Amino acid sequence: DGGITQSPKYLFRKEGQNVTLSCEQNLNHDAMYWYRQDPGQGLRLIYYSQIVNDFQKGDIAEGYSVSREKKESFPLTVTSAQKNPTAFYLCASSAETWSSYNEQFFGPGTRLTVL
Amino acid sequence: GQNIDQPTEMTATEGAIVQINCTYQTSGFNGLFWYQQHAGEAPTFLSYNVLDGLEEKGRFSSFLSRSKGYSYLLLKELQMKDSASYLCAVPSGAGSYQLTFGKGTKLSVIP
Repeated sequence: DGGITQSPKYLFRKEGQNVTLSCEQNLNHDAMYWYRQDPGQGLRLIYYSQIVNDFQKGDIAEGYSVSREKKESFPLTVTSAQKNPTAFYLCASSAETWSSYNEQFFGPGTRLTVL
Repeated sequence: GQNIDQPTEMTATEGAIVQINCTYQTSGFNGLFWYQQHAGEAPTFLSYNVLDGLEEKGRFSSFLSRSKGYSYLLLKELQMKDSASYLCAVPSGAGSYQLTFGKGTKLSVIP
């Protein structure tokens, strides 16, 4: 079955530690995205990638870093510079990068809690 | 830039009809998406409108008026499982494949 996987579902870290969230897709999608969602808030874009070895900052990139070494994988690192990292993190992917119809498919999310 | 407004919360009765509104301001319209998100889960795609009018898909319908910058999601024959947040999203500018999401409308269906 094709889809997007994120692991782990729940993650706890101590303040000051970097943590990497995994995102893998086998949908053969070119574009991948990372969003952050806080209670009562919509999805806010952290980083996105159109193609392997290329990625762009979204609206709230400070304190985060990404890599796109393979088409299938787009890991997100939450660094100690991120002031308020506790949140629900969602990874998504989409196939078409040139048309307006750009349905994004989401992974199950990782809930990160920094203690 | 993009600006999307949705009501924060709504409550409706099982079996009833509810309409969730979304107004948007965007530079260069390229369609509007609706997603459903159950608490703690991933959003799932519901509908996409790029032309004016009503698109019906089972119990769910979505309407778009480009001239008014307005859309709504209509849910008929409400079921308890429809309790979720409903997110309105538009592409982030002409030719963009990124989406800007509204804050979502949390719908509670009561018996």
